[in-house]
Amino acid sequence: DQQVKQNSPSLSVQEGRISILNCDYTNSMFDYFLWYKKYPAEGPTFLISISSIKDKNEDGRFTVFLNKSAKHLSLHIVPSQPGDSAVYFCAASYGKLTFGQGTILTVHP
Amino acid sequence: EPEVTQTPSHQVTQMGQEVILRCVPISNHLYFYWYRQILGQKVEFLVSFYNNEISEKSEIFDDQFSVERPDGSNFTLKIRSTKLEDSAMYFCASTPSDYSPQGETQYFGPGTRLLVL
Repeated sequence: DQQVKQNSPSLSVQEGRISILNCDYTNSMFDYFLWYKKYPAEGPTFLISISSIKDKNEDGRFTVFLNKSAKHLSLHIVPSQPGDSAVYFCAASYGKLTFGQGTILTVHP
Repeated sequence: EPEVTQTPSHQVTQMGQEVILRCVPISNHLYFYWYRQILGQKVEFLVSFYNNEISEKSEIFDDQFSVERPDGSNFTLKIRSTKLEDSAMYFCASTPSDYSPQGETQYFGPGTRLLVL
């Protein structure tokens, strides 16, 4: 099932710089998109979401962009902090959630 | 802040045994879900539950699996006869309401790590 793909398994960023995490999807029925953050041995923690009728949603240091024509969404974290280091999953919703594989973000001090 | 809780945090069982994983969703939520994550793989949808019945299930959710909301608070996942490949982290999630944007945000529990020997 490759309906949601995160092609970068890992990303390394310097503290204070921007982190950009990318996600592609194939199913045009998805109408809601979410980003989750996950630490080892914990459940995914909701971070930010965006409805398919919008192209941008911002919450503090986190901004999600949606390009419906390209079936692409991205999460921008600026400025990045060491505490942001975690696995980030994008998920697309049409009722149930379909997750990407995750991207391991490491923010170096 | 209300949260989804799950018990036990870890469970070790012998192949062929039955296990019951328990979840307490957030109290005013109406939709409930089970997901699993096999080590090193994606988080995968298993089943969704609304109004005391299954609303959707994946191919993974075969006859060995069942879900129940035995009372007003608990939501359980039962695996009747566990297999080695059932070893995974099992996450429960809940969401407040129906297909409104706010309702789509699913809140996850911390997970139960199941190991089948």
